[in-house]
Amino acid sequence: DAKTTQPPSMDCAEGRAANLPCNHSTISGNEYVYWYRQIHSQGPQYIIHGLKNNETNEMASLIITEDRKSSTLILPHATLRDTAVYYCIVSPNSGYALNFGKGTSLLVTP
Amino acid sequence: GAGVSQSPRYKVAKRGQDVALRCDPISGHVSLFWYQQALGQGPEFLTYFQNEAQLDKSGLPSDRFFAERPEGSVSTLKIQRTQQEDSAVYLCASSPSPGGKETQYFGPGTRLLVL
Repeated sequence: DAKTTQPPSMDCAEGRAANLPCNHSTISGNEYVYWYRQIHSQGPQYIIHGLKNNETNEMASLIITEDRKSSTLILPHATLRDTAVYYCIVSPNSGYALNFGKGTSLLVTP
Repeated sequence: GAGVSQSPRYKVAKRGQDVALRCDPISGHVSLFWYQQALGQGPEFLTYFQNEAQLDKSGLPSDRFFAERPEGSVSTLKIQRTQQEDSAVYLCASSPSPGGKETQYFGPGTRLLVL
């Protein structure tokens, strides 16, 4: 079973920020939070990861709560091309198999 | 640079046929993973290689599934006597090192349909 809980679907208007939540209440101290997304008919694509500090890159920001039991992926200005399934995964590192779960299907609307 | 490639992209097989799916990881990547993705579901782990060694095959659903990576680069996933429940997308991923936190890079997948 996946160690994370995500809402099955979300909508976001184009140009607005998309905030995707994830609960991982049983996360271990050595586990990172990884986010991947999968656009229709493509392989999963890495977005960002973090341990306990907030992280930002050119694609997104990751906010991890102080107790590390939940996190939020933020796409600051969503575009139609951000429509995808977003997966929140906890893992000690990339050398382990990723447990994807069902993810959140994000629909960005015009 | 070149990413992970997989071939064929689509495969239709009659029930009972054997199939072989190929994965070309990013050059120099030590770790290689195979995942199976059923329609509407997230990818599920099948097996893991570190160089040519198959270190984990706990996700293989039956003994009809076999994977190899003989020279530590290209990998082949073979399914013998295919069944309809084998219909899925098979994804391959590679990463630079086994213990690092570098991301896994995924190929586009092979979509297998068993009739």
